[in-house]
Amino acid sequence: AQSVAQPEDQVNVAEGNPLTVKCTYSVSGNPYLFWYVQYPNRGLQFLLKYITGDNLVKGSYGFEAEFNKSQTSFHLKKPSALVSDSALYFCAVRDGSQGAQKLVFGQGTRLTINP
Amino acid sequence: EAGVAQSPRYKIIEKRQSVAFWCNPISGHATLYWYQQILGQGPKLLIQFQNNGVVDDSQLPKDRFSAERLKGVDSTLKIQPAKLEDSAVYLCASSQGFSGGYEQYFGPGTRLTVT
Repeated sequence: AQSVAQPEDQVNVAEGNPLTVKCTYSVSGNPYLFWYVQYPNRGLQFLLKYITGDNLVKGSYGFEAEFNKSQTSFHLKKPSALVSDSALYFCAVRDGSQGAQKLVFGQGTRLTINP
Repeated sequence: EAGVAQSPRYKIIEKRQSVAFWCNPISGHATLYWYQQILGQGPKLLIQFQNNGVVDDSQLPKDRFSAERLKGVDSTLKIQPAKLEDSAVYLCASSQGFSGGYEQYFGPGTRLTVT
């Protein structure tokens, strides 16, 4: 069965600095990887995904993520953080080689950008 | 394009009572999901529909939870009777398809408190 680990419950970054939110995964087949963001009292919003192709994926709001097969990681990055990026971030994985396998989410990482 | 609609947004009930949540997915999305998100955790899939058929309900506590999507559009999730541990946010999501890399679009959720 697939699984996702987000090793940091909380990440604090100064505004204007680069940010990284870490994610590692485990699947038996090909990984389909996703990042979602959740603002207070809101549902999850899709940021970006990796299915195949270029290991560097660009998404919404200036975010990008790098797929690393050897390290089974899919870290979320942004070159310059904004205070408005403060939110809860979820990494998720689906086993792409097994049809309709469900999407499994990590526990989430709370990102706080300090002015 | 209208997003995923859910109602009610908040619900407070006593244990052993029943409750129902409603979801209307994005128009044209064939796949509908119900998730349970307990505070401090990532969303956990309860049930997945493809049109009006169930694709995955392996994590649905079937002794108390039920869901239907009779006409392949909107859906209802019911809990009867509720337990204290059912306190959570119930998220509905939809996607264009159920296989591979389709991203899911989430509604705002229903926050359930069981007292």
